[in-house]
Amino acid sequence: KQEVTQIPAALSVPEGENLVLNCSFTDSAIYNLQWFRQDPGKGLTSLLLIQSSQREQTSGRLNASLDKSSGRSTLYIAASQPGDSATYLCAVTAGNNRKLIWGLGTSLAVNP
Amino acid sequence: ETGVTQSPTHLIKTRGQQVTLRCSSQSGHNTVSWYQQALGQGPQFIFQYYREEENGRGNFPPRFSGLQFPNYSSELNVNALELDDSALYLCASSLGLEAFFGQGTRLTVV
Repeated sequence: KQEVTQIPAALSVPEGENLVLNCSFTDSAIYNLQWFRQDPGKGLTSLLLIQSSQREQTSGRLNASLDKSSGRSTLYIAASQPGDSATYLCAVTAGNNRKLIWGLGTSLAVNP
Repeated sequence: ETGVTQSPTHLIKTRGQQVTLRCSSQSGHNTVSWYQQALGQGPQFIFQYYREEENGRGNFPPRFSGLQFPNYSSELNVNALELDDSALYLCASSLGLEAFFGQGTRLTVV
């Protein structure tokens, strides 16, 4: 059974720091891995999608890597800003019906 | 904007009532998936519809049911509401392997 774990559960950093969020999954048979952002009480905003054949994706200050064989992904946020404060969720697409299987998220607070 | 629209955005229902949530998928997307996200938790897969047929179901009781229409929009119906059904309900549409989410419907059962 595929399980997704995110570490740390919560993170508080001063503005300007570079930071790394971690995601691990137990079964390497995935189609892709997505990172999402969720603001309190809101829906999901897709940040980056990495196909199973890819190693990384970049968008602005965000860089996500994927090591499928070890079941790990990292989301790197450069020069963090208070506006980056949110919960970051990772999810893998797996199974016959290609459903998303989610971690519990990392709650990030970037302090001015 | 993902092009996925959910309605209503917020809803309050009484225990035992029935509720219908709606989702308009992105144009051309033939697959719709529904997820339940309880407070402080990650989303949980409810079910998926592909071309109007159910294409997989998570660990939810039969009182959670759905429909997909010929235009690929979808409904989630929940009967006999329980307090624990209070959650954010998320709809995602896809054509390939990338899912696009609506902003969700916040359901509160009192």
